[in-house]
Amino acid sequence: DARVTQTPRHKVTEMGQEVTMRCQPILGHNTVFWYRQTMMQGLELLAYFRNRAPLDDSGMPKDRFSAEMPDATLATLKIQPSEPRDSAVYFCASGLRTTRDTGELFFGEGSRLTVL
Amino acid sequence: GNSVTQMEGPVTLSEEAFLTINCTYTATGYPSLFWYVQYPGEGLQLLLKATKADDKGSNKGFEATYRKETTSFHLEKGSVQVSDSAVYFCALSDLNFGNEKLTFGTGTRLTIIP
Repeated sequence: DARVTQTPRHKVTEMGQEVTMRCQPILGHNTVFWYRQTMMQGLELLAYFRNRAPLDDSGMPKDRFSAEMPDATLATLKIQPSEPRDSAVYFCASGLRTTRDTGELFFGEGSRLTVL
Repeated sequence: GNSVTQMEGPVTLSEEAFLTINCTYTATGYPSLFWYVQYPGEGLQLLLKATKADDKGSNKGFEATYRKETTSFHLEKGSVQVSDSAVYFCALSDLNFGNEKLTFGTGTRLTIIP
């Protein structure tokens, strides 16, 4: 049963520490998205990739966040240094972009980050 | 730009009641429309979708019809169950403009009481 896998599921860290979240997209999918979910802001798009190339990271605070795809099976989202306001659930989602697809995305279970 | 406006929650209904969650959208092209559902502690799952005007998406007793004239995609279910308690998100993507990312509404929390 193909699914998007995210690690860690939960992370508690102290302000100023580096946090790395990882995502394994569904094999064969060529688009990967990072979303952040908070009670106040709902779901916010942070960044997305097509064929491992970053297409849009305008939703991401550039000074502390970075997103990469070292290879087709791994996407990473890094926060350095972390701040309490980064506390949220971070979702990775993947999809298959073709000329005809309808944009359906498959979500991982999320990484819940708490920055103290 | 694209946007989705969803009915404010939370919504609380009794089991077997009729459900409607309103969703309207703004898009520059001809988007595909989706309803996603998030159960407690889980990621979002696709519930149903529609890709063109007058299409009806359906799944698990839920339905939504793509209404271009009113730019709406309201979610309905005739008889809700306790297991339907979740947060529901309306979303759109507009591939015609190369915009494959999903734009989500704010979500509507639904609670069904026995």
